[in-house]
Amino acid sequence: EIVLTQSPGTLSLSPGERATLSCRASQSVSASYLAWYQQKPGQAPRLLIYGASTRATGIPDRFSGSGSGPDFTLTISRLEPEDFAVYYCQQYDGSSPITFGQGTRLETK
Amino acid sequence: QVKLEQSGAEVKEPGASVKVSCRTSGYVFSSYGITWVRQAPGQGLEWMGWIGGYKGKTKYAPKVQDRVTVTTDTSTTTAYLELRNLRSDDTAIYYCARDMSGFTSSWADHWGQGTLVTVSS
Repeated sequence: EIVLTQSPGTLSLSPGERATLSCRASQSVSASYLAWYQQKPGQAPRLLIYGASTRATGIPDRFSGSGSGPDFTLTISRLEPEDFAVYYCQQYDGSSPITFGQGTRLETK
Repeated sequence: QVKLEQSGAEVKEPGASVKVSCRTSGYVFSSYGITWVRQAPGQGLEWMGWIGGYKGKTKYAPKVQDRVTVTTDTSTTTAYLELRNLRSDDTAIYYCARDMSGFTSSWADHWGQGTLVTVSS
């Protein structure tokens, strides 16, 4: 199965700063079949990005996704107070069972 | 609007089985799939399985495939996750989510509120 490794494990930033989160796959992910989710404490995950770069409905444009093959990035251009949460990448390449990365915790500096 | 409403918390003994339900509304059930994801306390997300809304095709995570069954009742647009031979490390919040494909597992855009399953003697 495809293993996803997210880095860093924890990212400490201030509101207004730019956040760059990485997700690396153990093998190339076909057709950029990669999604990003945000999860806040006590809540279900929320879809942010699918197809590596397409924002889900209602997601602000400060969130953007990029990448292909084994390397993907989630960028939050200017952090808002509500963006501090845990972020997960997920691959849905048909050659492998679905897997998630271990998560990146974005915390207030 | 799209809704997924899950059944309530469960407490089970080791070796028992649990069946979690996920009642859906607000969309054409057969056009999408349902994926199941769990989250152990303080841990990350773990995919369990998927079922297609069109023909009921299923996919399971290798780690649990011999203990899990995902089904749907199209008459009530409800999905079910059954996990057998429960162990303490099955203690987790179990989420259902609407998967965007009715033909193969993909990404999930709407999620249920989660069901806490506790396995303890």
